[in-house]
Amino acid sequence: NAGVTQTPKFQVLKTGQSMTLQCAQDMNHEYMSWYRQDPGMGLRLIHYSVGAGITDQGEVPNGYNVSRSTTEDFPLRLLSAAPSQTSVYFCASSYSGQDFSGANVLTFGAGSRLTVL
Amino acid sequence: TQLLEQSPQFLSIQEGENLTVYCNSSSVFSSLQWYRQEPGEGPVLLVTVVTGGEVKKLKRLTFQFGDARKDSSLHITAAQPGDTGLYLCAGRHYSNYQLIWGAGTKLIIKP
Repeated sequence: NAGVTQTPKFQVLKTGQSMTLQCAQDMNHEYMSWYRQDPGMGLRLIHYSVGAGITDQGEVPNGYNVSRSTTEDFPLRLLSAAPSQTSVYFCASSYSGQDFSGANVLTFGAGSRLTVL
Repeated sequence: TQLLEQSPQFLSIQEGENLTVYCNSSSVFSSLQWYRQEPGEGPVLLVTVVTGGEVKKLKRLTFQFGDARKDSSLHITAAQPGDTGLYLCAGRHYSNYQLIWGAGTKLIIKP
């Protein structure tokens, strides 16, 4: 049972380059999300999806695009990388995005460390 | 802006000591979760608290949800080097289903 798989684990880009961070989950989770983690700032939500074909913006969406064509995959695209996008990126999924009970637990990938020069 | 403030930001103590980490907000949460993150890995859920005043224990870790559901604490008894990591709290609001994250407490337990 792989859980949430992120690739690549490390990436170095030059300013202006584009790339896609891949995220796949095998738990049939409806909800998937992308976070970035910067020192002293905790986790900030970039984009999320409550199901295939549905995406929405989080707290810090500028400079990032997403799509959700299947339940399993939720890639994050950087169209023109900037040094401010240097960060560690986490993909996370849960069975539902609309659950207030507290039973809705996020499962995280191992992270992708991106450096933009 | 909805804020969840964690304190302290950094804590380094000797093995065997006790410690408490706090998570505070002016907002009311429907539930609050605590995660632990180790270097090079993603956060992993430790516990979810749902009811005001609720106390949950996980071996030497005790989690409490405030009566007003605005704050939470994590107490570790007789800390061990294996407790080292980044501890994150995350609250879920009634008004939407997104999690609000604290900035984390970096805990180092020295042998």
